[in-house]
Amino acid sequence: AQSVTQLDSQVPVFEEAPVELRCNYSSSVSVYLFWYVQYPNQGLQLLLKYLSGSTLVESINGFEAEFNKSQTSFHLRKPSVHISDTAEYFCALVQEGRRALTFGSGTRLQVQP
Amino acid sequence: DAGVIQSPRHEVTEMGQEVTLRCKPISGHNSLFWYRQTMMRGLELLIYFNNNVPIDDSGMPEDRFSAKMPNASFSTLKIQPSEPRDSAVYFCASSLAIPGNTIYFGEGSWLTVV
Repeated sequence: AQSVTQLDSQVPVFEEAPVELRCNYSSSVSVYLFWYVQYPNQGLQLLLKYLSGSTLVESINGFEAEFNKSQTSFHLRKPSVHISDTAEYFCALVQEGRRALTFGSGTRLQVQP
Repeated sequence: DAGVIQSPRHEVTEMGQEVTLRCKPISGHNSLFWYRQTMMRGLELLIYFNNNVPIDDSGMPEDRFSAKMPNASFSTLKIQPSEPRDSAVYFCASSLAIPGNTIYFGEGSWLTVV
């Protein structure tokens, strides 16, 4: 069995402040890890993913996540957030040999002016 | 690239009625997924197809739900009869069946059963 845990359901933060959204996972086999973002009333969009190689992965809009195998974590960070980053963020995994994503419960990032 | 296309975007129906949700995956993709999103249960996988064949339907809630993929460019998710607890956002997604490949989501079908 596999699971993804996002401990923070909501994270309020002021504009231009740094933010970290936490994600831990559990799996008996190797995994690929993903962060998806969902803006209000929209579908999910891929933010970034870790497949192999460098443990630090970056997105085009300034987010980054680091794969930590020993801590089974894949936390998402951004050094300075914008109002437009307000959205729900989902951590997800795919187990090696499988196809479907298993999602965490999501973290709502609320950026305040 | 048109992305994954779902219809209808919004549907309100009465309990007991049949509901059919439709999905057109991205051209060339050979894996298709149906997910359901609710406040209580988050994002749940209902079923996924590979090359039009259902591979895992363990997430389908009960016999009232059925899904088909008659060809590579079309899939349906049917609920018959619908119940208020089926109210949710239903997402279709597709990808190439390559390990770690990105799964692309549609905009969702927002279903309300009254």
